Amino acid sequence: QQPVQSPQAVILREGEDAVINCSSSKALYSVHWYRQKHGEAPVFLMILLKGGEQKGHEKISASFNEKKQQSSLYLTASQLSYSGTYFCGTSAGNNRKLIWGLGTSLAVNP
Amino acid sequence: DAGVIQSPRHEVTEMGQEVTLRCKPISGHDYLFWYRQTMMRGLELLIYFNNNVPIDDSGMPEDRFSAKMPNASFSTLKIQPSEPRDSAVYFCASSLLDHEQYFGPGTRLTVT
Repeated sequence: QQPVQSPQAVILREGEDAVINCSSSKALYSVHWYRQKHGEAPVFLMILLKGGEQKGHEKISASFNEKKQQSSLYLTASQLSYSGTYFCGTSAGNNRKLIWGLGTSLAVNP
Repeated sequence: DAGVIQSPRHEVTEMGQEVTLRCKPISGHDYLFWYRQTMMRGLELLIYFNNNVPIDDSGMPEDRFSAKMPNASFSTLKIQPSEPRDSAVYFCASSLLDHEQYFGPGTRLTVT
């Protein structure tokens, strides 16, 4: 099942914070976060693994609640360059098969 | 490194024609993924390879789709015959053991 992302879209002013959520109906092994700008390829931001290991972007943080099968991406002091669509990809096991959410569109205005 | 290379970048073809999409992964990466992206369905994993061997092809829509990886530096995704509903952006991505996937620029396929 495809994970559900919320909100679908958010508009911020530069400097504001945002939280993007990703929920799954299945037990998760890992959650991956990517950002895609219009007309470009997705770019890796963050991976969170079962057991707490986390690797990712220096200015973006995330959490992974294994019991609730949820992950949240925290964007603080947003910059114009943060604009784009954020996708979460989830895996149920220690493999490379990711199922992706439909994305959250983020627009940061001056 | 040049990153993941895909060709062509744009393809317009008529229904019923064969379409071949090509991908060159980042040198040294041992995983290769083919994705399809549409507005309605989002990003879908079609198939992925490890060390040139197909590991999971459960996302391949139907027998019209096939993918090969004859060596570590080249992969193809073929659609035969193509249909209008195949219109999408097709991405190839590669990765190492650390799970981070590097996506190519994509091929925008339009089937008329």
